[in-house]
Amino acid sequence: NAGVTQTPKFQVLKTGQSMTLQCAQDMNHEYMSWYRQDPGMGLRLIHYSVGAGITDQGEVPNGYNVSRSTTEDFPLRLLSAAPSQTSVYFCASSRTHDSGNTIYFGEGSWLTVV
Amino acid sequence: GNSVTQMEGPVTLSEEAFLTINCTYTATGYPSLFWYVQYPGEGLQLLLKATKADDKGSNKGFEATYRKETTSFHLEKGSVQVSDSAVYFCALSDTGTASKLTFGTGTRLQVTL
Repeated sequence: NAGVTQTPKFQVLKTGQSMTLQCAQDMNHEYMSWYRQDPGMGLRLIHYSVGAGITDQGEVPNGYNVSRSTTEDFPLRLLSAAPSQTSVYFCASSRTHDSGNTIYFGEGSWLTVV
Repeated sequence: GNSVTQMEGPVTLSEEAFLTINCTYTATGYPSLFWYVQYPGEGLQLLLKATKADDKGSNKGFEATYRKETTSFHLEKGSVQVSDSAVYFCALSDTGTASKLTFGTGTRLQVTL
C-alpha cells in the first residue's frame, strides 16, 4: 500500500524558475492538502482540496497554484520560485471532512531556491 | 482563530526516563487533537488522537488526554527509548475541516543511553 507519494524528494531551483511538486494517493481519499514546514514554525497549510475539481486556499497560498483534476492527484505548482519558498513540502490526504479523520502525510519534498 | 502552543525543545532524556511534552490549544469550535511524530528524514506519522473531551489517545506506550477545561493535550510516556528520538508535533483540526490541521512548532526529543 503506497499511501501518499510525493516526487521529487529533493530539488534545487534558481530564482524565477517554475516547477511542480507531484502528489498522488491510492486510498481514494476525498481530502488532499499541501503544507510547508519551516524551522521554528511547525507546518502551515498552503492549499487544500475537498474533492476533484475543488480547491481552496490555506494559510500561506501566495506564490503557489494547485489543481485537482482527479481524486488521486494534487500537484503543487511554483510559477516563479523565490528564496522564501525554500522549505520542506508535505502532501497529505484524509478520507472525509470529519475533523477526527486520520490525515496521512507523504515523506516530504525538500526544495531549495537559490 | 485556532492555535497550538507546545513546549520548546530540545528535550534531552536518558533512556527509561518519564516524558511529558506540554501542548495547549485555542479553538473556536470542537476540535479533534493529534500528536504526530517525525523521525529524521521522514514524513509525519500519526502517533495518537482524541476526538472529544476526556478521550485518551494511546499508541506505542505514549498517551495523551483531551482536557477541555484546561485546553490541553499533553503527551506522556512512562519510559522512553533511544528509538523515540524524533520531533513531536501537537495539532488540531476543527469541526468539518479535516484537511486543515493547525500545528504547534514541534518539540525535538533526544533520548540517550
